[in-house]
Amino acid sequence: QITLRESGPTLVKPTQTISLTCTFSGFSLNTPRVGVGWIRQPPGKALEWLALIYWDDAKHYSPSLTSRLTITQDTAKNQVVLTMTNMDPADTATYFCAHFVITLIGVHFPRGYFDSWGQGTLVTVSS
Amino acid sequence: EIQMTQSPSSLSASVGDRVTITCRASQNIDRDVSWYQHKLGEAPILLIFGSSNLQSAVSPRFSGSGAGTVFTLTITSLQPEDSATYYCQHTYKTLLFGQGTRLHIK
Repeated sequence: QITLRESGPTLVKPTQTISLTCTFSGFSLNTPRVGVGWIRQPPGKALEWLALIYWDDAKHYSPSLTSRLTITQDTAKNQVVLTMTNMDPADTATYFCAHFVITLIGVHFPRGYFDSWGQGTLVTVSS
Repeated sequence: EIQMTQSPSSLSASVGDRVTITCRASQNIDRDVSWYQHKLGEAPILLIFGSSNLQSAVSPRFSGSGAGTVFTLTITSLQPEDSATYYCQHTYKTLLFGQGTRLHIK
């Protein structure tokens, strides 16, 4: 059974840098065709994809946020960390991590879907 | 960037009804569409992947279809627990979610 859990600060000030940790079990990021992604949902708005990291340590970022995001993995700890710089009140959202199943590789962006999600963690950006 | 236009943005239906939600891609994306159900305060749930493949343990009242640029999610025999927001998603050259459809059960 795959489980994921997000953790990190719940309140940050504008311009600060935040690190969110996804701790998972039930799979290994050493397994081919597997990834972990971060998705967020601002209050009252739609889901927005942020970043993906894959079993081979390749990474992809949302084009609109790529300059502010870094995603890394610690396979020994079964963790994926998302770092976001220069936080703004507009970044207030629930942040989810999810297990990504790759259905097609060998293309610029691996095709796939998120089959297991964490419960999410609310991050509020306010002075 | 390939856009996904999801419609309607919200709908209201009764128990036992059948509803259809549509996502239109701005370019051909083969069959690369997944559908998710999201209830406030909970983790999203994968319903459909690869346009029409039902995820394990998901009720067969949910079905997906489509290829190219038009994709649909159909829910038959609506139940009160189907009240949620539904999202489409593709991974064609990047990853993008639709704007969501809020389904209210009368």
